[in-house]
Amino acid sequence: KAGVTQTPRYLIKTRGQQVTLSCSPISGHRSVSWYQQTPGQGLQFLFEYFSETQRNKGNFPGRFSGRQFSNSRSEMNVSTLELGDSALYLCASSSLLAGVPDTQYFGPGTRLTVL
Amino acid sequence: AQTVTQSQPEMSVQEAETVTLSCTYDTSESDYYLFWYKQPPSRQMILVIRQEAYKQQNATENRFSVNFQKAAKSFSLKISDSQLGDAAMYFCAFSNTGNQFYFGTGTSLTVIP
Repeated sequence: KAGVTQTPRYLIKTRGQQVTLSCSPISGHRSVSWYQQTPGQGLQFLFEYFSETQRNKGNFPGRFSGRQFSNSRSEMNVSTLELGDSALYLCASSSLLAGVPDTQYFGPGTRLTVL
Repeated sequence: AQTVTQSQPEMSVQEAETVTLSCTYDTSESDYYLFWYKQPPSRQMILVIRQEAYKQQNATENRFSVNFQKAAKSFSLKISDSQLGDAAMYFCAFSNTGNQFYFGTGTSLTVIP
């Protein structure tokens, strides 16, 4: 099976712009989670989508949003970019057994730099 | 709220020796799962080992084993016979049955030849 893919791998934007990141989960996985990784902060949970519905949401401002399509592919959007949004954005997919959190499989990440 | 704490930002170990990485967590839930993930430099995060909270037996995967102390809310990772390829950032993670994951800030492991 192909792994989790994320596009683009690298992105440079300026403050005030918006950006859309894409994630394709492992075939058959219906749960997709997004994380922001910065040095010293570890991984901060953004949100999780399952069957096109946002099931969990982390403590991030409304500028961060996402969606999931019927084929389980997911996009994350950040509007009005700030310098502090520079980070590695990771996507992870899992098969989610009923009531049992399955292993999360991570993509390579998108490195976002905001100038 | 769930929190995961890794109190060792950096650790080092001699090749072939054993090292233990610490992790504590805080939760009021009784049913949950714990994980250790490894992130090699510039490479993807991969699962090292997982532990179900309802299981008393500590999980083991080859050279990797955990010491799960539920009452103390402690979940340490032991790496035996350390190899150069074990050098990476290690993240401890907690998940409830709702599949929301909480990660620690990571421990950077250096393996000295």
